[in-house]
Amino acid sequence: AQKITQTQPGMFVQEKEAVTLDCTYDTSDPSYGLFWYKQPSSGEMIFLIYQGSYDQQNATEGRYSLNFQKARKSANLVISASQLGDSAMYFCAMREQGGSQGNLIFGKGTKLSVKP
Amino acid sequence: EPEVTQTPSHQVTQMGQEVILRCVPISNHLYFYWYRQILGQKVEFLVSFYNNEISEKSEIFDDQFSVERPDGSNFTLKIRSTKLEDSAMYFCASRQPHPIEAEAFFGQGTRLTVV
Repeated sequence: AQKITQTQPGMFVQEKEAVTLDCTYDTSDPSYGLFWYKQPSSGEMIFLIYQGSYDQQNATEGRYSLNFQKARKSANLVISASQLGDSAMYFCAMREQGGSQGNLIFGKGTKLSVKP
Repeated sequence: EPEVTQTPSHQVTQMGQEVILRCVPISNHLYFYWYRQILGQKVEFLVSFYNNEISEKSEIFDDQFSVERPDGSNFTLKIRSTKLEDSAMYFCASRQPHPIEAEAFFGQGTRLTVV
């Protein structure tokens, strides 16, 4: 079974609009962390935002926010006021606390295209 | 700002040849990782390294692969006899061991092309 599922292979959004990128996860570990990374066409992986399983509030970092719904096991990324530079691949990833050395499990990614 | 650096950025090699991919993690980090991304696919975990030994490896990390931390700064991934299917982007990452939210910092990647 997939541990991280990103169901949107590609998304389009108009510049200055908000967009939500979906991510669902599967784990039996009570302690875990969820991460979003951005991968522009140049290839590097850029950390965007983190949400811990015990965090009471949704994480926010500038124009990025995470809509964390623990019971549904979803951790959707919301990008507000999209910019042309937001066009990239976006990966959701999970780190489980127990039984691992902190490696990240990635989803297949969503390609976001921002239209002018 | 500290960063993870990888060399070379692009390597082309003949099938069957050995390659060594190099990484300099962030100096005060203690966990090191290699990930692989085949073109157009998701990022896959290969191996983690802590306290001078492999702490975890995936099924991808077979006997063709090895990692080393030969000195206090470098962290290398060696592929002994490359196959066409080893063509991919290879990312090195490092992080602090605690807490769980410690983000992994990724290098720029090495694009390996096996011909």
